[in-house]
Amino acid sequence: EAQVTQNPRYLITVTGKKLTVTCSQNMNHEYMSWYRQDPGLGLRQIYYSMNVEVTDKGDVPEGYKVSRKEKRNFPLILESPSPNQTSLYFCASSYTGESYEQYFGPGTRLTVT
Amino acid sequence: SQQGEEDPQALSIQEGENATMNCSYKTSINNLQWYRQNSGRGLVHLILIRSNEREKHSGRLRVTLDTSKKSSSLLITASRAADTASYFCATDRVWSNTGKLIFGQGTTLQVKP
Repeated sequence: EAQVTQNPRYLITVTGKKLTVTCSQNMNHEYMSWYRQDPGLGLRQIYYSMNVEVTDKGDVPEGYKVSRKEKRNFPLILESPSPNQTSLYFCASSYTGESYEQYFGPGTRLTVT
Repeated sequence: SQQGEEDPQALSIQEGENATMNCSYKTSINNLQWYRQNSGRGLVHLILIRSNEREKHSGRLRVTLDTSKKSSSLLITASRAADTASYFCATDRVWSNTGKLIFGQGTTLQVKP
């Protein structure tokens, strides 16, 4: 089954404790992206990757890091989480970055206390 | 600023009725997409309409696009309780290959049995 998986689905952590949210897709998609969704602000792009070893900032990259060492994986790293990073995070992938539908993961609900 | 803005923000109808949601955007686009999100879950792609298309159908969904007015509408015919969800329009930007989608705030649809 074609899908995007994220882990963990729920995470409660404390300020400053490094964490990684994993994202994996099995569709051989070149393009992958991370979004965060907040009430009243909608979905905003954090980082994206056009292919292996090619990443770039989205609209709200501060406080986040990403890497793309393999085509299927695109982990989101929070080196020192803060409460304002409490949010619902989505990973998405598509065939390329041009005009294709994006497939979204189930989401990771992160709470930073 | 928001590229896509949906109207209305919330819509409540009876099962069997039609639901119409509208989306407006600001800049020229390659395509416009509609997504559905069940409460707190991942987004599911519904339909993509390209800038040179005016209307597209998929099952009970009908999407129109008016590039001169920078607007789109999503019509769900013969709605069902299972259609209860939030619906988002998402646009890219013309000549952009970053894959970045700009989402509106969404329309929350409630279909009463």
